[in-house]
Amino acid sequence: DQQVKQNSPSLSVQEGRISILNCDYTNSMFDYFLWYKKYPAEGPTFLISISSIKDKNEDGRFTVFLNKSAKHLSLHIVPSQPGDSAVYFCAASATNNNNDMRFGAGTRLTVKP
Amino acid sequence: KAGVTQTPRYLIKTRGQQVTLSCSPISGHRSVSWYQQTPGQGLQFLFEYFSETQRNKGNFPGRFSGRQFSNSRSEMNVSTLELGDSALYLCASSLGPLAGTGELFFGEGSRLTVL
Repeated sequence: DQQVKQNSPSLSVQEGRISILNCDYTNSMFDYFLWYKKYPAEGPTFLISISSIKDKNEDGRFTVFLNKSAKHLSLHIVPSQPGDSAVYFCAASATNNNNDMRFGAGTRLTVKP
Repeated sequence: KAGVTQTPRYLIKTRGQQVTLSCSPISGHRSVSWYQQTPGQGLQFLFEYFSETQRNKGNFPGRFSGRQFSNSRSEMNVSTLELGDSALYLCASSLGPLAGTGELFFGEGSRLTVL
């Protein structure tokens, strides 16, 4: 039961352009969303998060947008850099319910110089 | 501050055997959760322990089990190994329970290969 879906397994963009990674969720109880980045041979590391009371959160080159009505969030990276090449996981949790944190399958981003 | 430590990093087992993986969380963190990562499946939630109690369990068979000790260190065990259990097993710690707003801190994982 995939409650968090990342339908694009891979994405390739040119250095300097925008990268947009998408994530959809089905559980309306989710009210907190996070993005994690994973390099090979390393554990995932936290990137950015957003609460359901917001529709946008920005941190430097990274911006996460949340569309609650569509149960959709996206991560924008502008400008993309080769060092951003990694697998990006979307995660969701229900902070007011005793639910675990669910992750998507991940999107492998490749930024070409 | 030391990060999340997982041991062993790599191991090879044969079908039918059992395996125990260990995770030491960041000092002061009381929640430890376990995930299985396989190609195309992303991070599949196994279970979470908070203050020595299992709070949640994912959709995995009973061959997968875990526990947490009073010092917050956690172990997970897989019995009667199957080929499909080959995966990267990731442990993550957080200050509070998993369903809070705190970020997770992951270890580097234990790569299990079942032959």
